[in-house]
Amino acid sequence: TQLLEQSPQFLSIQEGENLTVYCNSSSVFSSLQWYRQEPGEGPVLLVTVVTGGEVKKLKRLTFQFGDARKDSSLHITAAQPGDTGLYLCAVQSPPHYQLIWGAGTKLIIKP
Amino acid sequence: NAGVTQTPKFRILKIGQSMTLQCAQDMNHNYMYWYRQDPGMGLKLIYYSVGAGITDKGEVPNGYNVSRSTTEDFPLRLELAAPSQTSVYFCASSFPRGRSGLHSYEQYFGPGTRLTVT
Repeated sequence: TQLLEQSPQFLSIQEGENLTVYCNSSSVFSSLQWYRQEPGEGPVLLVTVVTGGEVKKLKRLTFQFGDARKDSSLHITAAQPGDTGLYLCAVQSPPHYQLIWGAGTKLIIKP
Repeated sequence: NAGVTQTPKFRILKIGQSMTLQCAQDMNHNYMYWYRQDPGMGLKLIYYSVGAGITDKGEVPNGYNVSRSTTEDFPLRLELAAPSQTSVYFCASSFPRGRSGLHSYEQYFGPGTRLTVT
């Protein structure tokens, strides 16, 4: 079993719709990161959430860290084709803060 | 700054061959990492380094070796290629960034090397 479970694994929706993807675990984390990966490229950091209950906005993307710091969600409002990509969550693991990754949600936004 | 660079972009190896995947960063980062990404499996850590001369195993180190003689370079060596090593390999770097007593380590990734072993 993976430390981080991401759902759904795959999502294909029309431009303009809203969506939420999830990153869940039974463990408590000091912080959680969300990355987006486009085809043929490496992941790029979108946001880091640190405090339980924290909400961060990045244009049409809203990230929330669960109150108990075990889970996180990413909500996209009015999705656009440019949002297409693989969304990955990751948490740091001791002793040297190396990242442990979820398997990702593959998102396709159709024009 | 070029960021994190990786060579080659693509490579096909025969079973039993050896090769070195090159990785370099020009951001003066202390930490460097090698991951492999298989379809639907996310990223798995192979090896990492917290500074020149220091390396450590990650989650899936078998069949690989690394060295870190300089801050900039972190090559990954495959000695006897096997079909199970067919994957996309990513190198990343990061540096400690403290905030309110907590540490948030953003990782910067290279474009990846797509390796096929047949």
